[in-house]
Amino acid sequence: GIQVEQSPPDLILQEGANSTLRCNFSDSVNNLQWFHQNPWGQLINLFYIPSGTKQNGRLSATTVATERYSLLYISSSQTTDSGVYFCAWGFSGNTPLVFGKGTRLSVIA
Amino acid sequence: NAGVTQTPKFQVLKTGQSMTLQCAQDMNHNSMYWYRQDPGMGLRLIYYSASEGTTDKGEVPNGYNVSRLNKREFSLRLESAAPSQTSVYFCASSATGQNTIYFGEGSWLTVV
Repeated sequence: GIQVEQSPPDLILQEGANSTLRCNFSDSVNNLQWFHQNPWGQLINLFYIPSGTKQNGRLSATTVATERYSLLYISSSQTTDSGVYFCAWGFSGNTPLVFGKGTRLSVIA
Repeated sequence: NAGVTQTPKFQVLKTGQSMTLQCAQDMNHNSMYWYRQDPGMGLRLIYYSASEGTTDKGEVPNGYNVSRLNKREFSLRLESAAPSQTSVYFCASSATGQNTIYFGEGSWLTVV
């Protein structure tokens, strides 16, 4: 089956630092999404990005579909960025998402 | 706008007991999903329903049953709970062909 691998598994940052999270997937993609799970467990959709680059404030994401990876950039990190970041792969918009195991980010003041 | 609502939020069961997790969405979505989240494992799909009246198995369906009661509601039943089913359960929904998926707040289940 499809493999979705995220790295690093854990990341600790000082407030204000930048970071890059990586997601590798083993099959061609038509639906690639990034999520943030806050410390209370709530899952929030950050990006739908099957290809190209998108930016939303301090966060941006890039997917290179031909090389089967996606990157999530967090700039000027804040303590509120802490939590777990998941990428999820889907064959299409009509099929369920397959999640990676996540990157746990801790931003310390 | 409630979005996706799950109940109960917390539950403790004894081994062998049964229970049903309820999920409802008010966004008129066709597709609904049940995932479980275990430490270090990400979210794994248990069952999903692409439309009212249809259900399909996901990656980890053993020990669970589902019912798509109507377009709004998708329930998950544990017939005979086992400690291995201790987990956080998330219900989610999405519109057909659209890519934004919305999650409920999760249900924390402990089986002792």
